[in-house]
Amino acid sequence: GQQLNQSPQSMFIQEGEDVSMNCTSSSIFNTWLWYKQDPGEGPVLLIALYKAGELTSNGRLTAQFGITRKDSFLNISASIPSDVGIYFCAGHGLYNQGGKLIFGQGTELSVKP
Amino acid sequence: GAGVSQSPSNKVTEKGKDVELRCDPISGHTALYWYRQRLGQGLEFLIYFQGNSAPDKSGLPSDRFSAERTGESVSTLTIQRTQQEDSAVYLCASSRAGGRPDTQYFGPGTRLTVL
Repeated sequence: GQQLNQSPQSMFIQEGEDVSMNCTSSSIFNTWLWYKQDPGEGPVLLIALYKAGELTSNGRLTAQFGITRKDSFLNISASIPSDVGIYFCAGHGLYNQGGKLIFGQGTELSVKP
Repeated sequence: GAGVSQSPSNKVTEKGKDVELRCDPISGHTALYWYRQRLGQGLEFLIYFQGNSAPDKSGLPSDRFSAERTGESVSTLTIQRTQQEDSAVYLCASSRAGGRPDTQYFGPGTRLTVL
């Protein structure tokens, strides 16, 4: 199925470092979402973006909706061990029926204490 | 319960057998979604229900896959004549209003292994 291009695939960082990951698409989206998935669990929504250029924060997380509507990034500042997990971007297209989401392949984050 | 629940949590089956996966959405949520997540991959959309009807089945990979929803509540995803490539985690999500992408709450998934 259709997927977004998410990078990097994995990151190994030291506690306290900042992290950045991004997603790009060949299609325009009208909503960008960022999720975190822990092992054996479903994804949990972190941030939702609704407007091109929008910059939104949720604690140490900041995400932006690209101006072209074809990309988004997520930054995590001052990482801590509980940030470990897989982060997914997801897009919702203007003409999608219902709330069908298109997901990136995920970025696996490891944080060394 | 408070969240979306799915059963079984794990299912191991032999190639060629049929399987049924169940999703119990959050009470009052009219929209329900099934996604498939292969190992190391993102989620792939399978089907969307609004109430008991399925306006979007575009993600079902073949006619071996079907899903139904009854009473605007429980949904079952059925895979007939399972193949090894069907091995994946099958995730269900529900939301109060269909069409609002940020309101989907995901269940923990059913891990299907086809031997």
